[in-house]
Amino acid sequence: ILNVEQSPQSLHVQEGDSTNFTCSFPSSNFYALHWYRWETAKSPEALFVMTLNGDEKKKGRISATLNTKEGYSYLYIKGSQPEDSATYLCAFFDNQGGKLIFGQGTELSVKP
Amino acid sequence: NAGVMQNPRHLVRRRGQEARLRCSPMKGHSHVYWYRQLPEEGLKFMVYLQKENIIDESGMPKERFSAEFPKEGPSILRIQQVVRGDSAAYFCASSPPTGPAYNEQFFGPGTRLTVL
Repeated sequence: ILNVEQSPQSLHVQEGDSTNFTCSFPSSNFYALHWYRWETAKSPEALFVMTLNGDEKKKGRISATLNTKEGYSYLYIKGSQPEDSATYLCAFFDNQGGKLIFGQGTELSVKP
Repeated sequence: NAGVMQNPRHLVRRRGQEARLRCSPMKGHSHVYWYRQLPEEGLKFMVYLQKENIIDESGMPKERFSAEFPKEGPSILRIQQVVRGDSAAYFCASSPPTGPAYNEQFFGPGTRLTVL
């Protein structure tokens, strides 16, 4: 059974703080890792699709790194803003069936 | 360009009734995925369909659940004889027919099913 773990489960930070969370996934048969941002009452929205070991992707104040050999990815948010409050999901692409295996998510709350 | 559409957004059924959840993928997308979020749990894969074909149904409960994606019209997730444990949010996602298989999936707003 493929397992994707995210930590921490929740995080409360002040506006302006920088923060990061972790996603652990199986290191064998790796094809891709997805990061999604999920705001309450909205649809999950893709942030990054990462495929190469050592890859680093950036979108505004949010960036992500990937280590496929040891099976982890970090998501960083620089200078958190209240609008960054959301649940951040990572998902491992299972090439056996073409599906995404999601972690439980990290719920981020940014206080003004 | 409209995103992934799901309807209804909220559905209430009594135990033993049938629930039909609809998903219209983004224009031009021919791959559809259904995920379920049970209370206090994360998103769990249910089924992956392409037009008129079920590609992977490894996440579907063995009984009462079925899914289809006909040549014309939306994808349908059907739950027969619903039980309270079926109460969950059901999300549909779609991806385009070209490009790598691990392409970004675009999610709909979900259908929240409540079984009384």
